[in-house]
Amino acid sequence: GAGVSQTPSNKVTEKGKYVELRCDPISGHTALYWYRQSLGQGPEFLIYFQGTGAADDSGLPNDRFFAVRPEGSVSTLKIQRTERGDSAVYLCASSPPLLAEPHEQFFGPGTRLTVL
Amino acid sequence: AQSVSQHNHHVILSEAASLELGCNYSYGGTVNLFWYVQYPGQHLQLLLKYFSGDPLVKGIKGFEAEFIKSKFSFNLRKPSVQWSDTAEYFCAVNARGNNRLAFGKGNQVVVIP
Repeated sequence: GAGVSQTPSNKVTEKGKYVELRCDPISGHTALYWYRQSLGQGPEFLIYFQGTGAADDSGLPNDRFFAVRPEGSVSTLKIQRTERGDSAVYLCASSPPLLAEPHEQFFGPGTRLTVL
Repeated sequence: AQSVSQHNHHVILSEAASLELGCNYSYGGTVNLFWYVQYPGQHLQLLLKYFSGDPLVKGIKGFEAEFIKSKFSFNLRKPSVQWSDTAEYFCAVNARGNNRLAFGKGNQVVVIP
């Protein structure tokens, strides 16, 4: 079946601009996660959705970052007034409904954001 | 918050050699443990996971990992590597009841034919 998809695969923008990154989770997965991976580092948690609501947004670095998931499926990560330090690969992951046992997270290919 | 340490960021070895990658985490409570792998040009995929039960878990492609609670470790092993095991390997942890994963910095493994 189809995996997690992310668009665009690459985004180049100028400092100060606004960007939106999109994530399509696996069908039926209620949980959706955003991570950021800088060069030479492991992925770093940003935000987690359960359905439409953000269950944990404690990883968002500041108020320039915001994410939505209005219908409980597709999610958009929004970054205002981009800075060069925002350059990274932004990863999206999804997982099935949480029952008795925790589930693995299935990752998408990522969006490589470059801020010039 | 939990943190994860992976050492020896770059590992180079020959085919048929044995591989062991260390992973240590800092968290006092119950955890779920994962190893993810990223092959060149591909996205992160799960290699193996530990939630409970037998602390020795077997994953895909001949990999295994052992959870040692007293050492806060979850080391990854493969007795005989192949060229196709060239990849970056990430250890990840989440606290039971908390879905956010904490990743280590990763191990870049290169297997020379």
